[in-house]
Amino acid sequence: DGGITQSPKYLFRKEGQNVTLSCEQNLNHDAMYWYRQDPGQGLRLIYYSQIVNDFQKGDIAEGYSVSREKKESFPLTVTSAQKNPTAFYLCASRKGTGNSDTQYFGPGTRLTVL
Amino acid sequence: AQKITQTQPGMFVQEKEAVTLDCTYDTSDPSYGLFWYKQPSSGEMIFLIYQGSYDQQNATEGRYSLNFQKARKSANLVISASQLGDSAMYFCAMRGLTTGGFKTIFGAGTRLFVKA
Repeated sequence: DGGITQSPKYLFRKEGQNVTLSCEQNLNHDAMYWYRQDPGQGLRLIYYSQIVNDFQKGDIAEGYSVSREKKESFPLTVTSAQKNPTAFYLCASRKGTGNSDTQYFGPGTRLTVL
Repeated sequence: AQKITQTQPGMFVQEKEAVTLDCTYDTSDPSYGLFWYKQPSSGEMIFLIYQGSYDQQNATEGRYSLNFQKARKSANLVISASQLGDSAMYFCAMRGLTTGGFKTIFGAGTRLFVKA
């Protein structure tokens, strides 16, 4: 079945550590996105990528980094520079760039800093 | 600036009744798309329905319909015949030319509780 997978589902990190969240899609979508969701809040865009080897900062990119070496994969690294990383992280992909192109989401990774 | 406003933090509805979740938006784009997503307690965002700004008819998908009033800049979601499984967070979202066609902005969400 086509879809988006994220791993791990739950992640615990000690302060000062970098961690990488995985996102893989087999939908052959060009664009991929990372969002952060805090309790009771909407989604905020961290990074997005329209094509391989290209990505742009979203609204809250500080303390995060990404790579897009393959079309299927868009990993997110939460660095020690991110002051408050405890949150729910959602990865999404979209086939094209038209207004009607729907974003599809993965199941999410819940990151907790101990 | 682009903005999505959902003014209802929480809503209650009796099972089998209809419910309307409000969404207003602000944009200067002549062309834009509006989306509704459902987020159950598991966390995954599930796409429900899409409405284009130039669509003449309101979008419908099964029990979901979108009451699109362009002049009022509102895009309310109507869920008919509510089911217990409809209990979830619901997010309204928008994408338009101003955001480069690549960014989608989301509202703060409305939590729906369906009572048996």
